[in-house]
Amino acid sequence: EPEVTQTPSHQVTQMGQEVILRCVPISNHLYFYWYRQILGQKVEFLVSFYNNEISEKSEIFDDQFSVERPDGSNFTLKIRSTKLEDSAMYFCASSDGENEQFFGPGTRLTVL
Amino acid sequence: GENVEQHPSTLSVQEGDSAVIKCTYSDSASNYFPWYKQELGKGPQLIIDIRSNVGEKKDQRIAVTLNKTAKHFSLHITETQPEDSAVYFCAASPLYTGRRALTFGSGTRLQVQP
Repeated sequence: EPEVTQTPSHQVTQMGQEVILRCVPISNHLYFYWYRQILGQKVEFLVSFYNNEISEKSEIFDDQFSVERPDGSNFTLKIRSTKLEDSAMYFCASSDGENEQFFGPGTRLTVL
Repeated sequence: GENVEQHPSTLSVQEGDSAVIKCTYSDSASNYFPWYKQELGKGPQLIIDIRSNVGEKKDQRIAVTLNKTAKHFSLHITETQPEDSAVYFCAASPLYTGRRALTFGSGTRLQVQP
């Protein structure tokens, strides 16, 4: 069964550093998403991406965040200057636009 | 924007009993309501979803009901098994308006006691 994959599984960084989280969506999907889940809290939407541009974003997704599809398979989330409060589990998801979103296993980001 | 409330936050049942989790939503534009199961250390996995043109959907031991007028939807798990133990999230989305962002509830930790 096709699945969304994410790397790394755990990323530790110093405050102020840039991090890039990587995702490989399901191959025939056209919509890509990033969500985050702070420990013990609900899953929150960050951004959706379609046709090489952002289609929706939340208030969380400020200028410190950016997304990119650098090639035909990868989808990345970049945080330019990490803050302590960016520590969370980040989930990538993909969909065909009409049906369910499939989630990856997540990347745990720890900002020290 | 959309706000999804979910309760209870924790639910403990005996194996074989039924479990019910309830959610309410605020945005009348929401028309797609998935339920996700999240096991420890994993991403959310869809277990069932319902669209606003139906009131009920069933898949083996799992069923979901939707009341559009009252803006609430519920997950029903019958004949619970220990492997049903996980955190369950409801979500809502205005999927057919061109927006696809999921707004999640706060989650219910279900514990099935053998």
